[in-house]
Amino acid sequence: DGGITQSPKYLFRKEGQNVTLSCEQNLNHDAMYWYRQDPGQGLRLIYYSQIVNDFQKGDIAEGYSVSREKKESFPLTVTSAQKNPTAFYLCASSILAGSAYEQYFGPGTRLTVT
Amino acid sequence: AQKVTQAQTEISVVEKEDVTLDCVYETRDTTYYLFWYKQPPSGELVFLIRRNSFDEQNEISGRYSWNFQKSTSSFNFTITASQVVDSAVYFCALFNNTNAGKSTFGDGTTLTVKP
Repeated sequence: DGGITQSPKYLFRKEGQNVTLSCEQNLNHDAMYWYRQDPGQGLRLIYYSQIVNDFQKGDIAEGYSVSREKKESFPLTVTSAQKNPTAFYLCASSILAGSAYEQYFGPGTRLTVT
Repeated sequence: AQKVTQAQTEISVVEKEDVTLDCVYETRDTTYYLFWYKQPPSGELVFLIRRNSFDEQNEISGRYSWNFQKSTSSFNFTITASQVVDSAVYFCALFNNTNAGKSTFGDGTTLTVKP
């Protein structure tokens, strides 16, 4: 089945530790995105990548880092510099060509930092 | 700058009632796309519909219908004869080519359908 996988579903970390969230897609999509969702709020864009080895900051990139070494993978690292990392993180992908810009989302990772 | 406003934070209805979720957008572009996504309790957003700015035809898909009005910059979503399974958070989103591949999401409307 084609889709986006995120692992793990739940993640617990101690304050001061870096943590990497996994995102893999087998949809052959060029673009991938990371969003953060806080309770009762909408999605805020952290980083996005339109092609391999290239990515751009979104609206709330501070304290996060990403890499795009392969088309199908776009891992997100939440660094110790992120002041409030506890949140629900969603990865998405989309086709860039043509008009089919809808995004396909993974199941999300709920990160809790104590 | 572009913006999407979903003024209804939470809506609660009883099963079989019709419900309309409002979405108002702002953009200076003439070419843009509007989307609706559903986020059930499991967390994964599911794409529902895409509409481009040149197509103002309303669309119906089963119990779902969408009303796009450029004159009022609105793209409202109606669920007819709501069911408990419709309970979710619904997001409206706006995309245009000049925004470097980024979509702008509204804050979402939480719909609760009670049996």
